This record gives sequence, structure tokens and C-alpha cells, in this order.
Amino acid sequence: DVKVTQSSRYLVKRTGEKVFLECVQDMDHENMFWYRQDPGLGLRLIYFSYDVKMKEKGDIPEGYSVSREKKERFSLILESASTNQTSMYLCASSYTRPVQYFGPGTRLTVT
Amino acid sequence: GESVGLHLPTLSVQEGDNSIINCAYSNSASDYFIWYKQESGKGPQFIIDIRSNMDKRQGQRVTVLLNKTVKHLSLQIAATQPGDSAVYFCAENPQTGANNLFFGTGTRLTVIP
Repeated sequence: DVKVTQSSRYLVKRTGEKVFLECVQDMDHENMFWYRQDPGLGLRLIYFSYDVKMKEKGDIPEGYSVSREKKERFSLILESASTNQTSMYLCASSYTRPVQYFGPGTRLTVT
Repeated sequence: GESVGLHLPTLSVQEGDNSIINCAYSNSASDYFIWYKQESGKGPQFIIDIRSNMDKRQGQRVTVLLNKTVKHLSLQIAATQPGDSAVYFCAENPQTGANNLFFGTGTRLTVIP
């Protein structure tokens, strides 16, 4: 079974803090993705990566950056957290088929 | 642009009945479609997929139907069980060779015991 893990299930941060969300997959997948999920808006793509050290902007990259130093790990960084970044963050990975496998999610609250 | 939408945001069914969840898509070039299930507090879980060269695909208690003429996708769940209560998303892959997906906003299925 594909396993995608995320470093935290719940996280509470203060406005202005730098926040790191980590994602690790154990299936040697080339592609990794970060989404945020908000009620009524569905899943929105923040960033994705097709290979190590490679990144591409998704639909809503503003206020976020990413890092992929190793194939299995894809990190999402909030340089200066703001209250409008309170959300559920989901990481996913995929191989040759477009099917993406998701982690359990991190519910981030910024106060 | 592409849009993946759902006809109904909520669906309630009696336990044991069949469920049908619908999805409309707008990009006729999409070649791959996926259904996900998301339970409360969890990440989306892959259920079943279908390529655009197929009309129907069956899994365990689930069937996906694809009607390319009207750009419509449906998920049928047979003998719905309480454990099927969740939000169901459809997703489309609009570009052959790329793995990005566009997701619908979801339908909440509630199974009434």
C-alpha cells in the first residue's frame, strides 16, 4: 500500500511565524503535490514537484514556498503565517498514472 | 477553463439502497477520471478510476460510468453501508502526460441506518 505521511495532524501557530509542513511518501513516486482544502472551495493546488529540486506553482502559490531536496520528502513553507492561511493542508504523491495518493492532512490554525 | 462540478452537494440514502453520485466536467480533452472518498478528518482515499476510452468500470460494490457525449461521470455504490458515509469527489486529468488533477467540490453522502 502507498503510504503518505504528514508531520502533524494539528498545528496552531501565531501570525507572522514561519511554518513548516512536512510530507513523506514511501513509494518512490516522482510527483508530489500540496493542496489546501477549505469549506465550499474544494481542493486547491498550491505547489507541485515532478522531481527532486524541481517545483512548479499551482493555482494559489502566494504566501507559500516549497522544498524538495529528496525524492520522498516534499515540504511546504509558510514564510510568515497569516490568519487567511488557516486551513486543512493535504499532501499527495503519484507515479505514472494520474491517481494521487493523499496523506491524512494537517489542520493548521493561525491565530 | 476546466470545471469539475457536482449536481448535488448532499445525498441521503437508506442503508442497503444503491447510491448514485454525479459529476459534470467541461474539458472534453480530459482523458482520465478518478473518484475519491473523504471521511471526516482524513485525507481523500482513492476509490476507482476510469480512462476516457472506457464507458464503465466496476470495482468492489462500486461502478463508475462515463458519458463523454454529455461530459458526465457517475459513481454508483451498491448496497450502501453506514461506513460509506463520507464526502465523495470526482477529479479529472485534463492533460495527457501530466499528472495534475482538477477536483470537484464534493458531495456529502449520508447513510441512514
